[in-house]
Amino acid sequence: QVQLQESGPGLVKPSETLSLTCSVSGGPISSGSHSWGWIRQPPGKGLEWLGNIYFGGDTNYNPSLKSRVTISVDTSKKQFSLKLTSVTAADTAMYYCARLWLTALDFDSWGQGTLVTVSS
Amino acid sequence: EIVLTQSPGTLSLSPGERATLSCRASQSVSSSYFAWYQQKPGQAPRLLIYGGSSRATGIPDRFSGSGYGTDFTLTISRLEPEDFAVYFCQQYTRSTPTFGGGTKVEIK
Repeated sequence: QVQLQESGPGLVKPSETLSLTCSVSGGPISSGSHSWGWIRQPPGKGLEWLGNIYFGGDTNYNPSLKSRVTISVDTSKKQFSLKLTSVTAADTAMYYCARLWLTALDFDSWGQGTLVTVSS
Repeated sequence: EIVLTQSPGTLSLSPGERATLSCRASQSVSSSYFAWYQQKPGQAPRLLIYGGSSRATGIPDRFSGSGYGTDFTLTISRLEPEDFAVYFCQQYTRSTPTFGGGTKVEIK
């Protein structure tokens, strides 16, 4: 059973860059059957997909955030990472990493989430 | 971007009752790439239904999904105490997944 775990600072200052890492265990990160993504949820609100990274390094980002989001992968460490630049209070949210199953295009495994607050 | 609208926003029911949750898409989506998730307070979402109607591993058969085109439904045949939660729908079209705003199923 694959497990995902997010890590990173819980507090980021406005205009700075939010950086999070997701560690994958219990299964391969280099998989042609899955890709790896980030999803966020502002407090009390719904889910917003940020982007995904695929085997081979191709990425796909939410058009509304594309200019600010970068997802990368380190297969040797079985980790993938999120960078979100120029953050504002609107970026305060629970950030989840998740695995996308490429057959049905759904997120079949999720990390527990990490709360990131943007505040000075 | 395809917008998913879930209704009702809140559903107040008693244990043992049937729950019917709706998700409407702003344009037609493939049921093959349509999913439902359950989220309990303080937890990450959990995949319930994929491919429009297939239950994920370990999901009890009281949960069922149906629909096609722009209208999809999640049905819980008989609510158990652990089913009171928020439910989200999700679609994947043209490389962009989107989620509905959620339906909260609360104890009446």
